[in-house]
Amino acid sequence: DAGVIQSPRHEVTEMGQEVTLRCKPISGHNSLFWYRQTMMRGLELLIYFNNNVPIDDSGMPEDRFSAKMPNASFSTLKIQPSEPRDSAVYFCASSLESQGGRGYTFGSGTRLTVV
Amino acid sequence: SQKIEQNSEALNIQEGKTATLTCNYTNYSPAYLQWYRQDPGRGPVFLLLIRENEKEKRKERLKVTFDTTLKQSLFHITASQPADSATYLCALLEYGAGNMLTFGGGTRLMVKP
Repeated sequence: DAGVIQSPRHEVTEMGQEVTLRCKPISGHNSLFWYRQTMMRGLELLIYFNNNVPIDDSGMPEDRFSAKMPNASFSTLKIQPSEPRDSAVYFCASSLESQGGRGYTFGSGTRLTVV
Repeated sequence: SQKIEQNSEALNIQEGKTATLTCNYTNYSPAYLQWYRQDPGRGPVFLLLIRENEKEKRKERLKVTFDTTLKQSLFHITASQPADSATYLCALLEYGAGNMLTFGGGTRLMVKP
């Protein structure tokens, strides 16, 4: 398995533009997570899907952020409009809930810079 | 309020020594606690899990302890090597939280040759 695949690796965009981050989880995993990491706040959970259904989105900062998981092999995180304070590394992770003890598998992240 | 605290200052040790990292939590009832390693520019990688009813877990040069009375986990790397230099994150899963982990801020470990 190629692991959790995120794209793009780097994104630089201007304030006000729409940004879409993409994630392909590990085949067979039924939980998917989007995290944001900054020096100041560490790893913050944004949203958690189980079996493609959003379970907890309480970490989504505001209405500018939205996430979808149309099927078991794909998820997107969209920011519209983007702001400089959204600059961070965004990670996607997946796991098999029944095997929570195996830990999460993280992607390599998308480094977002909003100028 | 709920907190997971790791020492934000980097830990510098000499090669061959044992590194000990601390994870303290407040106002959580964890079912289990996990430790991850993160290298620069990469996502965290799962290392070990310890359940609330376990006192200690070992894997090769790694050892994790879990004291639910002290609300603390210790992560040890014995015979440390420069290749162990990375940031180490603890994360816990609370009862009733489904499959959602909450992460600490991480501690950077530097092992000098």
